[in-house]
Amino acid sequence: SQQGEEDPQALSIQEGENATMNCSYKTSINNLQWYRQNSGRGLVHLILIRSNEREKHSGRLRVTLDTSKKSSSLLITASRAADTASYFCATDSLSYNTDKLIFGTGTRLQVFP
Amino acid sequence: DTGVSQDPRHKITKRGQNVTFRCDPISEHNRLYWYRQTLGQGPEFLTYFQNEAQLEKSRLLSDRFSAERPKGSFSTLEIQRTEQGDSAMYLCASSLGQGAKTQYFGPGTRLLVL
Repeated sequence: SQQGEEDPQALSIQEGENATMNCSYKTSINNLQWYRQNSGRGLVHLILIRSNEREKHSGRLRVTLDTSKKSSSLLITASRAADTASYFCATDSLSYNTDKLIFGTGTRLQVFP
Repeated sequence: DTGVSQDPRHKITKRGQNVTFRCDPISEHNRLYWYRQTLGQGPEFLTYFQNEAQLEKSRLLSDRFSAERPKGSFSTLEIQRTEQGDSAMYLCASSLGQGAKTQYFGPGTRLLVL
């Protein structure tokens, strides 16, 4: 089963605009990660944020984490057409004795040139 | 390219046939994971290996599914007596060490069962 949900399910923006995606999860976590998936392809790791961190940046990406609300957000600034993809958050849970990832349902981002 | 390769990339089979997929992880990675992804959903965990030991299997992995990692390097995932519900993308990922957290995914094998 999925760990949680992402919101919105789909997002369409113009190039140059910012895109914000939200992720909610259910159990206590060690870390939360964001992955990108181009249509029909494998997943590419974007960024990892630890449970004791609140914000992290990588290039045009900004991730926040609120463990009290069990939620995270991914902000992509100055979007490009090449950012068109599905974005998934994934958590590794304190409840599980493995490093397996539990994924959200994904946000499909479309960036129009 | 993450360094994780999967073969084949696409497989079409008839219901009832057996299929086998291969995953070659990043060479120094000792952990290997299999996930399944259906259309419009996020990947779901199937099983994982630390070296050659299979340490966990999901309830999704019915007795028709078997996975091996005989020498702690590449892994195979076999589905026996395929069913239409097995149609999905099968993703392999690898990571280095316990608690390494970041998993690197292969391109996936897309299975279609007719």
